Amino acid sequence: AQTVTQSQPEMSVQEAETVTLSCTYDTSESDYYLFWYKQPPSRQMILVIRQEAYKQQNATENRFSVNFQKAAKSFSLKISDSQLGDAAMYFCAYRSAGTGNQFYFGTGTSLTVIP
Amino acid sequence: NAGVTQTPKFQVLKTGQSMTLQCAQDMNHNSMYWYRQDPGMGLRLIYYSASEGTTDKGEVPNGYNVSRLNKREFSLRLESAAPSQTSVYFCASRRTGAYEQYFGPGTRLTVT
Repeated sequence: AQTVTQSQPEMSVQEAETVTLSCTYDTSESDYYLFWYKQPPSRQMILVIRQEAYKQQNATENRFSVNFQKAAKSFSLKISDSQLGDAAMYFCAYRSAGTGNQFYFGTGTSLTVIP
Repeated sequence: NAGVTQTPKFQVLKTGQSMTLQCAQDMNHNSMYWYRQDPGMGLRLIYYSASEGTTDKGEVPNGYNVSRLNKREFSLRLESAAPSQTSVYFCASRRTGAYEQYFGPGTRLTVT
């Protein structure tokens, strides 16, 4: 089974500043997808951004962007101009493009935004 | 569209009791999933169903059974609840060919 590692259980950032959350994964596959999900206190899981492994260009969604390093098996999330509403648990996830159905999640990073 | 719905939102069981967690989606998705979320463990896959009529074990299936009743509904059953099954349970669904999955609001289950 693939493993996804988030080595930062907790992070904090000042409002309007930039923060980067780390994620590494272990796989022998060449084609796969990576995701960042946000879980606010409401508990609802919300997709933030995704990256296809075959794409060299890093994905961007408004203030959220990723740094995807395929050789290093690294997939970090950068949040720019942090807002109070960004405070949440963030999960990194992996899914194979081949067999396809199983998702593997990291243990999460709890992000606090300081006013 | 309601998306993915789960019932109940909260439940307290005594050890040995049984119960079924219900999940339904109205997005015509083929794949459905059950996860459990525990502090410090992230989300772990219990069972999934790639299509109506099929189910497969995930990472932590012991103590659970599932039923894919039809394309919309995927239920999770605890036959004899144990305190180790205290957790938050999430259902999710995914359209065939889509990259990501969509989650329900979760069920917080406590087994005493």
